[in-house]
Amino acid sequence: DAKTTQPPSMDCAEGRAANLPCNHSTISGNEYVYWYRQIHSQGPQYIIHGLKNNETNEMASLIITEDRKSSTLILPHATLRDTAVYYCIVRSGSARQLTFGSGTQLTVLP
Amino acid sequence: EAGVAQSPRYKIIEKRQSVAFWCNPISGHATLYWYQQILGQGPKLLIQFQNNGVVDDSQLPKDRFSAERLKGVDSTLKIQPAKLEDSAVYLCASSSTWTPYEQYFGPGTRLTVT
Repeated sequence: DAKTTQPPSMDCAEGRAANLPCNHSTISGNEYVYWYRQIHSQGPQYIIHGLKNNETNEMASLIITEDRKSSTLILPHATLRDTAVYYCIVRSGSARQLTFGSGTQLTVLP
Repeated sequence: EAGVAQSPRYKIIEKRQSVAFWCNPISGHATLYWYQQILGQGPKLLIQFQNNGVVDDSQLPKDRFSAERLKGVDSTLKIQPAKLEDSAVYLCASSSTWTPYEQYFGPGTRLTVT
């Protein structure tokens, strides 16, 4: 699976959009981009995933660049409860499991 | 829908002792995973079951760790004997056949080995 690069930490003001970047420059054509988050003392939680097109669900939006070498997870109106570690994961269609990196610690400030 | 259940939530043992963790996945989920998460790191997969068969245990330290999933539902992860470096949170997750990579995680068991 392709390796991902994320900033170790980011801050965001409550009510503002949180934009979390992820670099996956070695991604190949059949690899998906997944985002999970882990709130303190809880297990990780699935957020969203995509292959080529931008995706949106009730939690977030995923913007994937045209060359697919990077993506951005957008939380449109961040709340204090969105403070968590966010993991960007690239997985091939044939891979059996997800490989977590160190993620980005997002802190939403009041 | 009930989530993934794990017990105990916390465990403190001395090195060389044994310990066991229990997981009950979401009803109907065929795939079950055990992860180890050391403080400050992302979860690392230890073993993956599909029903009651092992799909991947390549990262399981088999000299001291063992896991089983009898009847394809509940699972137990055991460490015997424990080492100091086994101190971590042990997470159980499950996923369905139709969305295998949308994994649902339990709250984890925090193990401290002294």
